[in-house]
Amino acid sequence: ETGVTQTPRHLVMGMTNKKSLKCEQHLGHNAMYWYKQSAKKPLELMFVYNFKEQTENNSVPSRFSPECPNSSHLFLHLHTLQPEDSALYLCASSQDSLGYPPYEQYFGPGTRLTVT
Amino acid sequence: AQSVAQPEDQVNVAEGNPLTVKCTYSVSGNPYLFWYVQYPNRGLQFLLKYITGDNLVKGSYGFEAEFNKSQTSFHLKKPSALVSDSALYFCAVRAIPPSGNTPLVFGKGTRLSVIA
Repeated sequence: ETGVTQTPRHLVMGMTNKKSLKCEQHLGHNAMYWYKQSAKKPLELMFVYNFKEQTENNSVPSRFSPECPNSSHLFLHLHTLQPEDSALYLCASSQDSLGYPPYEQYFGPGTRLTVT
Repeated sequence: AQSVAQPEDQVNVAEGNPLTVKCTYSVSGNPYLFWYVQYPNRGLQFLLKYITGDNLVKGSYGFEAEFNKSQTSFHLKKPSALVSDSALYFCAVRAIPPSGNTPLVFGKGTRLSVIA
C-alpha cells in the first residue's frame, strides 16, 4: 500500500490547536480526494481536486481547509475543531475525477483524528 | 440524488461456504457501480466495477458481483469464503451523464466475518 501515503497516522489535538494532515500519491494520478469516515456512517466526500483545481467542496465547515500545491500532494489544514470531527480521514487519488467511465480510486491508510 | 443502501451491518459465514454481501442503489438514469474492501487499519481497496456490458463482473481475490437493473442491485459474491476475507465491504455508485458530474457515493459498509 505504498501508492498513497498519509501522515500522521494518528493525531490527537485540542479544540484550539492548528494541525495539518498530509497526503502524497506516487501513482501519477491527476485527481485527489479527502473523505471522512465515521463509524456506521457512509464515507463522506469532503473535497476533490482535479489537475490541482478544486472541483468539489461538499459543504464542509471552514475549520477544514484543503490545499493542493501539485497533483501529487494534498493537505488538510485543521483549526478550532469540534469533538464530533473525530474520525478517520482518508485520502484517495484517481487518474481523473471528471472522466467517464469513472476511474477507480486508490486510498491511503488514513489518519485517525481525535479531538479532545 | 443518488444513494446506496447496504441493508446488513454484519454478515457471518463459515469458511468454505458461499458469501453474499448485498447492495441496492438509486440513481437518475444508469449507474456505474463499485465494490471496495477495507481491512483493519488500512484504506479502501478497489475490488471490481460495473460499467456496461455483461451483468456478471469478476474482480480481485475471487470476488464477483451481479448487476440487476430491474432490482437496482449489485450484490457481491464469492463461491467459497476464506477467513482472510473478513473485512469491511463498501458498495459505491456514480451516475452516468447527462445527470451531470456527480461524485462517487458510498454505502455505510457491511462487516463480513468468516468463521473457521
